[in-house]
Amino acid sequence: AQSVTQLDSQVPVFEEAPVELRCNYSSSVSVYLFWYVQYPNQGLQLLLKYLSGSTLVKGINGFEAEFNKSQTSFHLRKPSVHISDTAEYFCAVSEQYNTDKLIFGTGTRLQVFP
Amino acid sequence: SQTIHQWPATLVQPVGSPLSLECTVEGTSNPNLYWYRQAAGRGLQLLFYSVGIGQISSEVPQNLSASRPQDRQFILSSKKLLLSDSGFYLCAWSVGLGLWNRGETQYFGPGTRLLVL
Repeated sequence: AQSVTQLDSQVPVFEEAPVELRCNYSSSVSVYLFWYVQYPNQGLQLLLKYLSGSTLVKGINGFEAEFNKSQTSFHLRKPSVHISDTAEYFCAVSEQYNTDKLIFGTGTRLQVFP
Repeated sequence: SQTIHQWPATLVQPVGSPLSLECTVEGTSNPNLYWYRQAAGRGLQLLFYSVGIGQISSEVPQNLSASRPQDRQFILSSKKLLLSDSGFYLCAWSVGLGLWNRGETQYFGPGTRLLVL
């Protein structure tokens, strides 16, 4: 069975500082990997996803993530955050060659301070 | 373009009352549809998913049920609400390729906040 671990429930950071949100997954088969963002009282929207090919994936709003198969990780990074990046970030996986059900992590709340 | 609607946005219901949350998708055909619940500090839990009309898969045993009476309509119901049913309910859709996963993006609705008292 798959599982997703987001070790940091909250990440406080000052504006214009770099940030990394960690995600580790567990699966016995190949997976697709996703990062979604949720702004307050809203649904989720896709930031980026890894399906195949280059392990460095670029997404919207200046975010990027790197797939590391040996470490079963898919950490999200941004070199310089803005106040508007304050939100909840969710990592998710789905199994290749299976249904497209997503298994989500518990989320990381990114709080950007001025 | 495709859009997804959920209503109501907020709902306060007494314990033991029935529930019906509706989700509709526009601008696409044969979508895969999903119901998630988000409880505080627990991330998102997949409750139901559907690959076609009348085809519902339940992910966790619970007090809720789902139905898909039309291609782009997905309904979440309960006959008697429990306090533990409180949470933020999100509907999502993805391009329907049946059961074959190709890493399609899921598109989420605005959610319904349910408070059971």
